[in-house]
Amino acid sequence: DARVTQTPRHKVTEMGQEVTMRCQPILGHNTVFWYRQTMMQGLELLAYFRNRAPLDDSGMPKDRFSAEMPDATLATLKIQPSEPRDSAVYFCASGADRTSNEQFFGPGTRLTVL
Amino acid sequence: AQSVTQLGSHVSVSEGALVLLRCNYSSSVPPYLFWYVQYPNQGLQLLLKYTSAATLVKGINGFEAEFKKSETSFHLTKPSAHMSDAAEYFCAVTGNFGNEKLTFGTGTRLTIIP
Repeated sequence: DARVTQTPRHKVTEMGQEVTMRCQPILGHNTVFWYRQTMMQGLELLAYFRNRAPLDDSGMPKDRFSAEMPDATLATLKIQPSEPRDSAVYFCASGADRTSNEQFFGPGTRLTVL
Repeated sequence: AQSVTQLGSHVSVSEGALVLLRCNYSSSVPPYLFWYVQYPNQGLQLLLKYTSAATLVKGINGFEAEFKKSETSFHLTKPSAHMSDAAEYFCAVTGNFGNEKLTFGTGTRLTIIP
């Protein structure tokens, strides 16, 4: 049963600490998305990659957030330094190609910054 | 630019009654439209999608949606609500090039009354 996996599922940290979230897309999927969900803003796209190249990171605060795909099986989202306003659920999603249109979501990482 | 508007942040229906969740879209290009469901503490699961084929789309769990270009709508329906349908539902739109970023609505929380 192919699915997107995310680690950790929960993370509690203190303000100023570095946070790294990881995503393993479905094998063979070439597009990876990072979304953030909050009560106030809802679901918003942070960044996405196709064939490991970043295509759009306009939704991401550049001063503290960074997203990478070291290889085709791993995507990372890093926050340094973290702030309380970063508390949210971060979702990773992956897709197969331009004709499928469907994005498969992981279970999310719930981040709490104290 | 694309956007979706979901009318009603909360909808309550009795078990066995018709479920109707409303979504209107705005798109400068032919849209691809999606409905996702999110159960508590879980990721998003695709219910159904419209990709310019049949205007009446059937999805999982007995849900369906009809694309109406004249009304710019893509409302989600289910003839008979079940307790297990209680969840949050998101309408989303993307351009018709495939795997472009999804723009989500603000979500509708569906409550089922026994």
